[in-house]
Amino acid sequence: DIQMTQSPSSLSASVGDRVTITCRASQSISIFLNWYQQKPGKAPKLLIYAASSLQTGVPSSFSGSGSGTDFTLTISSLQPEDFATYYCQQSYSTSYTFGQGTKLEIK
Amino acid sequence: QVHLVQSGAEVKKPGASVNVSCKASGSSFTGHYVHWVRQAPGQGLEWVGIINPSGGTTDYSQKFQGRVTMTRDTSTSAVYMELSSLRSEDTAVYYCARVGSFTGTTAFDYWGQGTLVTVSS
Repeated sequence: DIQMTQSPSSLSASVGDRVTITCRASQSISIFLNWYQQKPGKAPKLLIYAASSLQTGVPSSFSGSGSGTDFTLTISSLQPEDFATYYCQQSYSTSYTFGQGTKLEIK
Repeated sequence: QVHLVQSGAEVKKPGASVNVSCKASGSSFTGHYVHWVRQAPGQGLEWVGIINPSGGTTDYSQKFQGRVTMTRDTSTSAVYMELSSLRSEDTAVYYCARVGSFTGTTAFDYWGQGTLVTVSS
């Protein structure tokens, strides 16, 4: 199975900060990489698909980049509602593996 | 408006089976593959398997092969996930998720609310 590794595992930041989360695949997955946001007690929400395509309704403060094995999710200016846990997911192979998650907390 | 509505929480004893349902509304039921993902308490997301509601074909994570069965009922626009031989490690929230209409890629654009399955003696 393809392994997905996110860094950091947790991150403290302030409202208005620019934040970057990294996801690395154990083998090349082209651009078959998605990003989800999850808040406590809620289902995940799709933010970015195909590495850099913004899902409908998601603020433009979110952006994704990368291809091959290295990917990033960037939030350009943190808002209070952005504090959550973020997961990457590969859709290159049918194991559809997720990263372990990055918890974004308020500093 | 697309909605995926799952059945309620379950408490099961070790060795038992559980059947979780996911009913779709607001879109073509047979037009979107449905995946199941689980999340143990305080842990990350784990892919369980996929079902094609149109033909009923399935594919399961190797981890769950032999213990999981996914089915669908087109008359009620529902998909089902049965997990057998339950053990305490299966305690988790189980989500159904729909594959969106994205060209050339797979991503889950709508999710059910989750069903907590607790396995305890």
